Amino acid sequence: DGGITQSPKYLFRKEGQNVTLSCEQNLNHDAMYWYRQDPGQGLRLIYYSQIVNDFQKGDIAEGYSVSREKKESFPLTVTSAQKNPTAFYLCASSAGRTTSFSYEQYFGPGTRLTVT
Amino acid sequence: QQQVKQSPQSLIVQKGGISIINCAYENTAFDYFPWYQQFPGKGPALLIAIRPDVSEKKEGRFTISFNKSAKQFSLHIMDSQPGDSATYFCAAMRLLGSARQLTFGSGTQLTVLP
Repeated sequence: DGGITQSPKYLFRKEGQNVTLSCEQNLNHDAMYWYRQDPGQGLRLIYYSQIVNDFQKGDIAEGYSVSREKKESFPLTVTSAQKNPTAFYLCASSAGRTTSFSYEQYFGPGTRLTVT
Repeated sequence: QQQVKQSPQSLIVQKGGISIINCAYENTAFDYFPWYQQFPGKGPALLIAIRPDVSEKKEGRFTISFNKSAKQFSLHIMDSQPGDSATYFCAAMRLLGSARQLTFGSGTQLTVLP
């Protein structure tokens, strides 16, 4: 059953702690993305990766870090430097071939992070 | 210039009615315009998408109308059903370096009354 899995679904942390959100895909997609969603707002891009061992900052990368050691996995770490970490975090992937029409991004079910 | 403006913020429609959501953009580098449907607590799912060389695309009850000169596009949901109640996001994609990036609108919460 192909798709994107994110774990856990809900995550609670104390302020000042780093936390890592998991994202795994078995779609054989090259590109992976992390978005943040806040109530009443659209999705905002945090980081993206086109290929293993390479990633780029999105619009709101401050306070976040990522790694891409395997094609299937793109974990996101929310560091203590992130001022407002409480949000719904969404991982997505796409085929990533810019010269083809495989533009569609497919999203995981999300992780709701609450920091108190 | 990267912004995508979406309206209305919320929409209430009677069952069987037509739901219309509008989006506008400024950056002419955008070349792909998808719509996503999101149910509470779930990730967005691609609903329908259009390229700027086409003025309309229809899939079942869902239609995108695209006006390139006005830099506007809209989603029409015909014969709206209570099961269509969800948040809808328009988006616009462009090539940035070697990557394709999506910029999302702020979302429209649609409620279809039975």
